[in-house]
Amino acid sequence: NAGVMQNPRHLVRRRGQEARLRCSPMKGHSHVYWYRQLPEEGLKFMVYLQKENIIDESGMPKERFSAEFPKEGPSILRIQQVVRGDSAAYFCASSRQQGGGETQYFGPGTRLLVL
Amino acid sequence: KQEVTQIPAALSVPEGENLVLNCSFTDSAIYNLQWFRQDPGKGLTSLLLIQSSQREQTSGRLNASLDKSSGRSTLYIAASQPGDSATYLCAVVILTGGGNKLTFGTGTQLKVEL
Repeated sequence: NAGVMQNPRHLVRRRGQEARLRCSPMKGHSHVYWYRQLPEEGLKFMVYLQKENIIDESGMPKERFSAEFPKEGPSILRIQQVVRGDSAAYFCASSRQQGGGETQYFGPGTRLLVL
Repeated sequence: KQEVTQIPAALSVPEGENLVLNCSFTDSAIYNLQWFRQDPGKGLTSLLLIQSSQREQTSGRLNASLDKSSGRSTLYIAASQPGDSATYLCAVVILTGGGNKLTFGTGTQLKVEL
């Protein structure tokens, strides 16, 4: 059973470009979480999605950031008009169910560098 | 607002030593607590998950305890090895209608020297 997959692993963008980060959850997992790790900071929750639904986006910046988890295909975190402050590691996690007893399994992350 | 603190921020020990990493949280109404390991440039590996009704969990040389009322957890590593060198993160879950999102501490960077 493959783990959580994220691609690309590294992404370089110039200011003003768009960044698309992809996350394929573990097989059988329908709950996806995105976290961001800024340099020298801890991981911060961004958004929680189930198939075709955004459940909690309380950690998402108000502008330029969006996320989706379509019925088919990976979850996508999209950052429009990137700025240098968006440079960070973005981690996706998945779980089988919503319950508090469920372990979240993390992907290897996408490291975004904005020039 | 839940805040999670980890002490120490960094720790260097000789191989073979037993060590304790500390995690404290401000809101005791947690559902569970997880300890993770993060290697440089890599993702997170879940080490132990303790439900709020439990006091401790063990896996190999690792033992994690939870004292919910005092807002504390410890991760005990026995007979440390150079391969244990990594950043250790604790994270708590508070159940809301929005699911079990994790609130992370800032981590303890461990180095085990030969």
